[in-house]
Amino acid sequence: TQLLEQSPQFLSIQEGENLTVYCNSSSVFSSLQWYRQEPGEGPVLLVTVVTGGEVKKLKRLTFQFGDARKDSSLHITAAQPGDTGLYLCAGAPNSGYALNFGKGTSLLVTP
Amino acid sequence: EAQVTQNPRYLITVTGKKLTVTCSQNMNHEYMSWYRQDPGLGLRQIYYSMNVEVTDKGDVPEGYKVSRKEKRNFPLILESPSPNQTSLYFCASRVMGSSYEQYFGPGTRLTVT
Repeated sequence: TQLLEQSPQFLSIQEGENLTVYCNSSSVFSSLQWYRQEPGEGPVLLVTVVTGGEVKKLKRLTFQFGDARKDSSLHITAAQPGDTGLYLCAGAPNSGYALNFGKGTSLLVTP
Repeated sequence: EAQVTQNPRYLITVTGKKLTVTCSQNMNHEYMSWYRQDPGLGLRQIYYSMNVEVTDKGDVPEGYKVSRKEKRNFPLILESPSPNQTSLYFCASRVMGSSYEQYFGPGTRLTVT
């Protein structure tokens, strides 16, 4: 069941630009995670946000969890080619065991 | 090093020839799961296991089997593969409990002709 919608689906930008990726749902999640997947590899966890309104920073990446815990955003400042990859959001349900994954945003940062 | 390993990484096979993809984790995680990843469809869960001898269906279990005889291993079995099972497969593991933070294997790219 795909409960999380990510936008945009694809994003191609130049090095140094800023960007924001969105993850939206009509469902409430107990927590939300962001993963990055590079070609030929498995997804790697970047961050988990738990509290509504929470903001976490990881170097040039800023993650925000919506107040109602239904949506999240990932903002990258001054993107670099090393940021290229597929960004996946995943919501943890209030009950049950399975993470709900969005389909991902494919980011390409060119020099 | 904490990790999830999968074998093989690449596999080309023919329709109907039984195959097994192995998955092993060294983090003593209770929860393990298998996903397939397809263009436009994202990651979809095939099966999951909450502990030894406890397995359950995910969103797309048809055509797959799993077993969990040991805590560290969670093989994925395709008894009679078909071309629509051509996909990129990932095994993942995590601790049971409030944290859903998953560790993924490197993936197995399967082609069924």
